[in-house]
Amino acid sequence: ETGVTQTPRHLVMGMTNKKSLKCEQHLGHNAMYWYKQSAKKPLELMFVYNFKEQTENNSVPSRFSPECPNSSHLFLHLHTLQPEDSALYLCASKISGYSSGELFFGEGSRLTVL
Amino acid sequence: KNEVEQSPQNLTAQEGEFITINCSYSVGISALHWLQQHPGGGIVSLFMLSSGKKKHGRLIATINIQEKHSSLHITASHPRDSAVYICAVRPYSGGGADGLTFGKGTHLIIQP
Repeated sequence: ETGVTQTPRHLVMGMTNKKSLKCEQHLGHNAMYWYKQSAKKPLELMFVYNFKEQTENNSVPSRFSPECPNSSHLFLHLHTLQPEDSALYLCASKISGYSSGELFFGEGSRLTVL
Repeated sequence: KNEVEQSPQNLTAQEGEFITINCSYSVGISALHWLQQHPGGGIVSLFMLSSGKKKHGRLIATINIQEKHSSLHITASHPRDSAVYICAVRPYSGGGADGLTFGKGTHLIIQP
């Protein structure tokens, strides 16, 4: 248990569906991240939020839309995804501005796009 | 471009064996992380190193900054050590927005 909670843990969706992934932390962190983990590939950074402001969009397609309503919650809205988007999506948080700070990860949301 | 290479990619061993996982990188770094990912998916930080050696229980991590190399050792391995072990480095420059470059991971299976 790392203090970062992701829901749902598993999601199966069709290419025309709209769904959302949720991440929640109550660690007092103010930087939150979305990562994509595909088989046989390193973790890929998707989005970064610092103090609720998006500071990085790592060339992610617009079918992925992040939302950070406050420092404790982060969403990833999914729309018209492709089968190659099937992956494990991991949320992480840390203290912003502390470059050597430890990242705390959630358990991940396993997404399958049919 | 910073590359993080881990070896081996896959490792199967018997319970009780001494395990070594290696990580090499190509640029100057301020820190190196070893992470553990269990089959369920969640990632846990094991160590953060900038020099020397750290030990936690049966896990030992070493780093040689001059050779740009780190090793993770597991003594008296146990089936519950079965996981993917990921090396991540924090380059002085050129890292992602999170400051980290990740390796692909080493998939370890410890058989009873």
